[in-house]
Amino acid sequence: KAGVTQTPRYLIKTRGQQVTLSCSPISGHRSVSWYQQTPGQGLQFLFEYFSETQRNKGNFPGRFSGRQFSNSRSEMNVSTLELGDSALYLCASSLPRDRPNTEAFFGQGTRLTVV
Amino acid sequence: GQQVMQIPQYQHVQEGEDFTTYCNSSTTLSNIQWYKQRPGGHPVFLIQLVKSGEVKKQKRLTFQFGEAKKNSSLHITATQTTDVGTYFCAGLGGTSYGKLTFGQGTILTVHP
Repeated sequence: KAGVTQTPRYLIKTRGQQVTLSCSPISGHRSVSWYQQTPGQGLQFLFEYFSETQRNKGNFPGRFSGRQFSNSRSEMNVSTLELGDSALYLCASSLPRDRPNTEAFFGQGTRLTVV
Repeated sequence: GQQVMQIPQYQHVQEGEDFTTYCNSSTTLSNIQWYKQRPGGHPVFLIQLVKSGEVKKQKRLTFQFGEAKKNSSLHITATQTTDVGTYFCAGLGGTSYGKLTFGQGTILTVHP
């Protein structure tokens, strides 16, 4: 069974640009969450999607957005990049929350560097 | 909002010594999960605790969930070099769909 796949693995962007990151969840998983990991702030929740609907959102500015497609694949977009957006962006998939086991399976992440 | 504090931030041990990391939530949790992240890797699920006072063991690892479901601990007996990494606790609130609130993590270094 393939794991969570994130593309690209590495990105270098310039301030002011926008970026789109992609996440393919484990087959059968319909919940996809996104997290930002930085040395200073740790792992912070961005948003969660289930069946193409955003069910939960973290405390990030509106420049951070996401969506989920009918095949459960998800994308997140960051517009008007700032230096502080440099981070490892992790996607995690899981079975729906009403199932007993809600462990999250993380992808390898996308390392975004803003210069 | 919900906050999860984790201590210590760093722990250096000699191989064979024990290790413990503690988590404390500002609110009552639905469940708590533990993850391990190796250097350069991604978080990998270790275990989930759901019941008040629950204790679970995985070989040398012992996980506890407090009676009030607000605190948890991970204890490793007789550490090995393969235990190196960052250990995170992550709390799930009552209505927080898919939203894990992570502690800051404890970076474990094991000296051979």
